[in-house]
Amino acid sequence: SAVISQKPSRDICQRGTSLTIQCQVDSQVTMMFWYRQQPGQSLTLIATANQGSEATYESGFVIDKFPISRPNLTFSTLTVSNMSPEDSSIYLCSVPGASPYEQYFGPGTRLTVT
Amino acid sequence: DAKTTQPPSMDCAEGRAANLPCNHSTISGNEYVYWYRQIHSQGPQYIIHGLKNNETNEMASLIITEDRKSSTLILPHATLRDTAVYYCIVRSPYNFNKFYFGSGTKLNVKP
Repeated sequence: SAVISQKPSRDICQRGTSLTIQCQVDSQVTMMFWYRQQPGQSLTLIATANQGSEATYESGFVIDKFPISRPNLTFSTLTVSNMSPEDSSIYLCSVPGASPYEQYFGPGTRLTVT
Repeated sequence: DAKTTQPPSMDCAEGRAANLPCNHSTISGNEYVYWYRQIHSQGPQYIIHGLKNNETNEMASLIITEDRKSSTLILPHATLRDTAVYYCIVRSPYNFNKFYFGSGTKLNVKP
């Protein structure tokens, strides 16, 4: 199984600022995924980050708000830009497992915007 | 991917079997049923998956009805550590490894 770490684990930010979240995997993976989990809600897929190409965003999410970088096969960042209190959520990254039915998730970054 | 419907919460006594239902009436022929769970403050964890036949692994059993419109996840001997939100996901094998989560069922295992 893949071991995934995220930084920071939590942060409290002022509205209007930006935060970059890092996701590090202990093995090389082609795809990485970013999810948002708003308080008391389920997970919502934000985008797919492929190495060497632009991220693919799900409906309702745009690059200007959530720019993603994928500089290599073990690392990705998600930036939450121009934050508002509605962006307060847990942000998780995930990667596919060796088999297509498994996906491994990081511990999440808990973001609070005041 | 087909939508799923799950009860928002269920209770189960410790040591008893927990049976978690899921409706997926619009499932198509090549879509699999997956179950994940999310223990508080952790990322989701894979439990089991199936296409048509019932499946069993060390964690749970998955029963899929013959018409595939519903399924049940069975935890045979629930423990307090099984308290979590359980997500039933129906996914096409062609959606590039993406998982779309529904609202899930909060299982409360009580002593």
